[in-house]
Amino acid sequence: EVQLVESGGGLVQPGRSLRLSCAASGFTFDDYAMHWVRQAPGKGLEWVSGISWNSGSIGYADSVKGRFTISRDNAKNSLYLQMNSLRAEDTALYYCAKALILNPGIAAAFDYWGQGTLVTVSS
Amino acid sequence: DIQMTQSPSSVSASVGDRVTITCRASQGISSWLAWYQQKPGKAPKLLIYAASSLQSGVPSRFSGSGSGTDFTLTISSLQPEDFATYYCQQANSFPSFGGGTKVEIK
Repeated sequence: EVQLVESGGGLVQPGRSLRLSCAASGFTFDDYAMHWVRQAPGKGLEWVSGISWNSGSIGYADSVKGRFTISRDNAKNSLYLQMNSLRAEDTALYYCAKALILNPGIAAAFDYWGQGTLVTVSS
Repeated sequence: DIQMTQSPSSVSASVGDRVTITCRASQGISSWLAWYQQKPGKAPKLLIYAASSLQSGVPSRFSGSGSGTDFTLTISSLQPEDFATYYCQQANSFPSFGGGTKVEIK
């Protein structure tokens, strides 16, 4: 059974940093691209960042480019999101999501999602 | 960046109704489109990928069509468990989502 478990969310002041983690199991982690998708309270889904199976292809939404860094550790079956210079508008539930198909890049649909970790940016 | 526009933003329907949701891409994306269902407090669930392929385990009353820039999700006979919010997502390049369509009870 595929499982994605996010952690690391919490309340943080504007301008500070936070690191999210996603622990994956139930599939061959290093075969698939992985992504972060967020959802602000009462709002729609927003793709944040994605990373290919070997970290050779990485992408970011314009809203987080230069502030967030995605990475993965295939030996630990883990995905990460380092979030710096956080803003109030980064407040959201952050989901880890698995790419549907084997693909050298990061363009993908998502077949499995975690339950999310809540990040609240407020003073 | 590719923008995805969904319509309507909400629809009121009754059990047994046929419901159609449309999604338009700002540029051609071939068939690289997915549809998701999200219920309150839950993660999104993949329904359709590659515009018309039904994800494993998804009931056959859900179907998708379209290519290029215009796409449709159809629920042939709405069931009580189908009241939810639906999102389209392009998978042609860096992913992006439509704004969502809330299917409400009439």
